[in-house]
Amino acid sequence: GEEVAQTPKHLVRGEGQKAKLYCAPIKGHSYVFWYQQVLKNEFKFLISFQNENVFDETGMPKERFSAKCLPNSPCSLEIQATKLEDSAVYFCASSQLAGSYNEQFFGPGTRLTVL
Amino acid sequence: DQQVKQNSPSLSVQEGRISILNCDYTNSMFDYFLWYKKYPAEGPTFLISISSIKDKNEDGRFTVFLNKSAKHLSLHIVPSQPGDSAVYFCAASEGGNAGNMLTFGGGTRLMVKP
Repeated sequence: GEEVAQTPKHLVRGEGQKAKLYCAPIKGHSYVFWYQQVLKNEFKFLISFQNENVFDETGMPKERFSAKCLPNSPCSLEIQATKLEDSAVYFCASSQLAGSYNEQFFGPGTRLTVL
Repeated sequence: DQQVKQNSPSLSVQEGRISILNCDYTNSMFDYFLWYKKYPAEGPTFLISISSIKDKNEDGRFTVFLNKSAKHLSLHIVPSQPGDSAVYFCAASEGGNAGNMLTFGGGTRLMVKP
């Protein structure tokens, strides 16, 4: 598609439950990024993929968070055993492979509320 | 340690006047800078970018200026329109690869009054 799609729009989980978020990048884009925005503050980088391979995971919490980008499937971000502090808007972005400098195009985000 | 800072949380401007949004960074490895605009409940929308080999980039009403020695960039919007009212985020990356992450500032809320 021409836009980054994210589902669901909203997700509510009780503390300790699992949360799974999905992202379909723009067709033809090779890079996918996940960012977390807490309380309308700045965006925190989590992880990026080049196609199905992890490119940079320096922002991923070591425990509870995992992500995948498999061929012919939406990318996913999964949080095991959610905590209150995981409440945030999670944005996915994609960019093209060509060139050294490329803007990232963002999806509308998934708002995760952990109760 | 905030590597990208937007020190003005908000800015109010009259329609038709110039809006100037500022951004400072500390990481001298940053060499690609972007501005995004964000409406509530939407994702950031790319506005304009500049690489460190330039000091100015213009696109319609939007101009970005980069002062590498001061580690400062600014976004000028002329003339400002009510539809420009949004939160503006400055972002930076260490270039060389389109897969490099963006580091964002905290945003500046721009209000353009009719």
